[in-house]
Order: sequence, then structure tokens, then C-alpha cells
Amino acid sequence: DAGVIQSPRHEVTEMGQEVTLRCKPISGHNSLFWYRQTMMRGLELLIYFNNNVPIDDSGMPEDRFSAKMPNASFSTLKIQPSEPRDSAVYFCASSLDFYGYTFGSGTRLTVV
Amino acid sequence: KNEVEQSPQNLTAQEGEFITINCSYSVGISALHWLQQHPGGGIVSLFMLSSGKKKHGRLIATINIQEKHSSLHITASHPRDSAVYICAVPYSGAGSYQLTFGKGTKLSVIP
Repeated sequence: DAGVIQSPRHEVTEMGQEVTLRCKPISGHNSLFWYRQTMMRGLELLIYFNNNVPIDDSGMPEDRFSAKMPNASFSTLKIQPSEPRDSAVYFCASSLDFYGYTFGSGTRLTVV
Repeated sequence: KNEVEQSPQNLTAQEGEFITINCSYSVGISALHWLQQHPGGGIVSLFMLSSGKKKHGRLIATINIQEKHSSLHITASHPRDSAVYICAVPYSGAGSYQLTFGKGTKLSVIP
């Protein structure tokens, strides 16, 4: 298994542009998580899906952020419009319930 | 929400030294993760443990569920162990799947 696959690895965009981050979880995992990591706040949960259904999106900063999981093998995190304060590393992780937690390599987003 | 405290925040050690990193949390849990992140790198899960002790190579993780405390030990530390070590627990206690994280311990091992 190739693990959790995230794309792109790096993204540089101008303020106001739409950004879409992608994640392919490990086959057979039923939970998918989006996390954001910054120097100031460390790792924070943004949203969590279980069996493709969003369970907890209380960590999503504001309406500019949205996440979807149309099927068990794909999820997106979209920011529209992007702002410089969104610059961070975004991690996707998947697990089978609470076990087998596996993180992707992350997407480093820079909004200028 | 579970509150997670790690100590120390930064740790510098000479190669060969025994390292201990501590993690305390506020809400009872079913299991705890120790994660490793190298500079500019991804996050790797080192251990998931729910009781007692686990060992993998030079790494040892212990947990005391009653005291809400876990430790990560590194024996015979090596410069390649230099990384940030992060403790993670269920977001709102046992039964929740999403994680909440400590702020990490930055370890630097000097040759």
C-alpha cells in the first residue's frame, strides 16, 4: 500500500485565489481527517469523516473552508478565497476506527 | 476537549544519552499515540498504546492510564533521532476517533 497520498506537495498561490488540496486514504480505512499545522498553533483538527460522512467540522476556521469526501478513496479540502493567514502545512490522515492511524506527507500552502 | 501538555518543549542531548519526553492529558482515554516529525517532513506514527509499555528498537513508550501520563524514552540517542516528537490523544476522551495534539518536543542530538 502506498500510504495516504496527498497532492500537491507544495502550493503557492496569490491571495484571493481558490486552492484545492487532495487526499487519497489507505484502502479499507473508514475514517479520514484533515489537520492544519502552524508554528503558532501546532496541529489542529479541521474536519473528520467517518464512512465518507462529515462527523465533526467544528475545527474548520470559517466559511472560506470546505471539505468533501465523494467516495471512500478521495477527499478534497478547498479554500476560497485564500488569505495569507491560511499559509500552513495541511495533513490528511486515515485510520480504521482509532487504529492504524497513518498520515500523508502534507501539503505546504503559501498564500502571498 | 482533551488538553495535552508535553515537556520539555526543547531538548538538546549528546549522542548516546538516554532521553525522556513526557505527556500529560486531562480526559481519560482508550489509547495514545506518539508521533515523530523530521524537519520539513511528514508525520510518522511511532506507537499507539493503551496500557503498560511498548518497545521498538531503541524507543520505549509507557503509559499510566490512571495518572493520565505517558513517557517516550530513547536509549543510546543518535543524531538521526533529531526530530519533533508529538503526543496525541482522542479529541474528547475514550471513544472519539479524532486526535488532539501536544505542542511537540523538539529534540536535537549532537554528535
